[in-house]
Amino acid sequence: AQSVSQHNHHVILSEAASLELGCNYSYGGTVNLFWYVQYPGQHLQLLLKYFSGDPLVKGIKGFEAEFIKSKFSFNLRKPSVQWSDTAEYFCAVVASGGSGNTGKLIFGQGTTLQVKP
Amino acid sequence: NAGVMQNPRHLVRRRGQEARLRCSPVKGHSHVYWYRQLPEEGLKFMVYLQKENIIDESGMPKERFSAEFPKEGPSILRIQQVVRGDSAAYFCASSPPLGGKTQYFGPGTRLLVL
Repeated sequence: AQSVSQHNHHVILSEAASLELGCNYSYGGTVNLFWYVQYPGQHLQLLLKYFSGDPLVKGIKGFEAEFIKSKFSFNLRKPSVQWSDTAEYFCAVVASGGSGNTGKLIFGQGTTLQVKP
Repeated sequence: NAGVMQNPRHLVRRRGQEARLRCSPVKGHSHVYWYRQLPEEGLKFMVYLQKENIIDESGMPKERFSAEFPKEGPSILRIQQVVRGDSAAYFCASSPPLGGKTQYFGPGTRLLVL
């Protein structure tokens, strides 16, 4: 069965600090990978996604993520966080291709990021 | 540019009552997914529907829960005889036809069962 693990449940940083949130998945086949962000009281928004090609993907608001196939990882990074980045971050995976894949997203448990001004 | 719309945004029910959650997908999207977010947990897949068809309901509880996506109108997630454990945020997502891979989420319905 597919699963997604986010190692950091709660991260506290000061403004301008660098951020890296870990995400590992368990699945033997081809996957598409996503990072979503949920600001307080708001719905999930897509930060970035990886389908194929360059494993380093850039998203909105200065975020990027690197897909390392050999490590089954898709870590999220930002060089310098801002107070407005305070939110919950979710990594998600969907199996790509195959007759039995219905496109359902498998989410990690989320990482709460608190940025102190 | 209307995104996924869900209503109500907040719903309070007493134990034993019924809850109906509505989801209108992005215009032109024919695939709808429902997810549930329990407190302190990530989102869990519940059901995947296309117009008039349930494609994958592997995440739906076996009893009391049902979903539909009629030819006309929004998708409905129905919970009968709610219990306190049903209290959660329920999110709907939609994606375009022809294998569109990115899902766009609505604002969610926060259900509180008293």
